[in-house]
Amino acid sequence: QKEVEQDPGPLSVPEGAIVSLNCTYSNSAFQYFMWYRQYSRKGPELLMYTYSSGNKEDGRFTAQVDKSSKYISLFIRDSQPSDSATYLCAMSVSGGYQKVTFGTGTKLQVIP
Amino acid sequence: DADVTQTPRNRITKTGKRIMLECSQTKGHDRMYWYRQDPGLGLQLIYYSFDVKDINKGEISDGYSVSRQAQAKFSLSLESAIPNQTALYFCATSGERGEQYFGPGTRLTVT
Repeated sequence: QKEVEQDPGPLSVPEGAIVSLNCTYSNSAFQYFMWYRQYSRKGPELLMYTYSSGNKEDGRFTAQVDKSSKYISLFIRDSQPSDSATYLCAMSVSGGYQKVTFGTGTKLQVIP
Repeated sequence: DADVTQTPRNRITKTGKRIMLECSQTKGHDRMYWYRQDPGLGLQLIYYSFDVKDINKGEISDGYSVSRQAQAKFSLSLESAIPNQTALYFCATSGERGEQYFGPGTRLTVT
């Protein structure tokens, strides 16, 4: 079993929809959670960084962490065609350098 | 200009050849990393470096070596390339919180 599980998709939604992207994990020691966006043929770009449980909002993006369920989510409101990309979740036990474990990514397509 | 740059962006080489991938960063970070990305497998850590004198193996270091020439430069070498090293390679740096900043990637094909 992988430490971090992420549905590969693809997930297709109409423009303007609310998108929910999710990851589950097995290591209860994870405390730092990240979401990256990766456009085709580009490097991953950090979108959200959260510590422990709770919500964090940044513009149209909301990251949610539920440590009791070992489940994290990224919500995208008013989705745009420019949001079409692969979204990677990532997590680590502590900040600084510690090994960051990545999900395999969910491919999202927002249809105009 | 990009904070993390990689050269070359694309490379096709033959089995047995030595290849070097180069990475430079202007973020001033001490920590640098090399990952490879394969479809369905996600990002796998090859090597990482905390500073010029500190280099560590990652999950999949066999067949690879690295050199940290300066705080800003971290190179990855494939001493004798083999076809299953065909992948997308990323260099990254990390800040104090551990968040990672990636370069644009090098697409390597070994025939």
